[in-house]
Amino acid sequence: DTEVTQTPKHLVMGMTNKKSLKCEQHMGHRAMYWYKQKAKKPPELMFVYSYEKLSINESVPSRFSPECPNSSLLNLHLHALQPEDSALYLCASSQTSGGSYEQYFGPGTRLTVT
Amino acid sequence: GESVGLHLPTLSVQEGDNSIINCAYSNSASDYFIWYKQESGKGPQFIIDIRSNMDKRQGQRVTVLLNKTVKHLSLQIAATQPGDSAVYFCAEDNGYSTLTFGKGTMLLVSP
Repeated sequence: DTEVTQTPKHLVMGMTNKKSLKCEQHMGHRAMYWYKQKAKKPPELMFVYSYEKLSINESVPSRFSPECPNSSLLNLHLHALQPEDSALYLCASSQTSGGSYEQYFGPGTRLTVT
Repeated sequence: GESVGLHLPTLSVQEGDNSIINCAYSNSASDYFIWYKQESGKGPQFIIDIRSNMDKRQGQRVTVLLNKTVKHLSLQIAATQPGDSAVYFCAEDNGYSTLTFGKGTMLLVSP
C-alpha cells in the first residue's frame, strides 16, 4: 500500500472557525510533511515531522498548528485563518528524514477561507 | 536562497511525439532529484528519481538525465500520450529530505 490519504477533500471555513486537516499513511514511514500549494505554483514546505517529533517549521504562522499523534497520523489544526490562506494543503510521507527518499503525496485538501 | 527553476512554463506536443522538460538547479550540494507529475485536482505523483552519482536513469517511457557540470536536469517522455498532460515539477533534496520544487512545466498533449 503506497497511499497517503487526506480528509476532508474540500473545506470551507470562516476566519473565526477552528478546523483540522487529517493525513494518514500505513507504509511504515517515519517522516511526514505538510505542504501548502497555491494555484499554478509549486508546493511549499510548511512542517516536517521525524519519528513523531517536529523537526522543521518553515516559519509558518501560529494559526497553523501541526500535530503527530502517532507514526501513521498527521493533523494540521487551523484557527483564525485569513483569506490568503486559501490553498491546496498536501500531506506527504517518506521512509525517514535522515536521507534522500521519495516522498509520497496525498491528494490534498482544498481549503477556502471566507 | 538557492532554488530549482524551469526554462519553459508550457510545452505543447502532439500525441506520439517525444517530450523533453528541462530544469535548472543552483544548489551544488543537492544529491537527490525527483520528477513529479501533478494532474488537476490531485497531489504530485512520483515519476522517477536520480541520485547525484548517476547521470542517467530510465523508467517506463521516461528517462531522467542529470548534468552536474551545468546543474541541469531533464525529463524525457517517449511516445507522449494524452494521459501525460499535467504539470511536471522537478524537485531537489539537499540530503535532509526537504524538497525544493521548481516552478513547474505544463505539458499539453494533443490527440
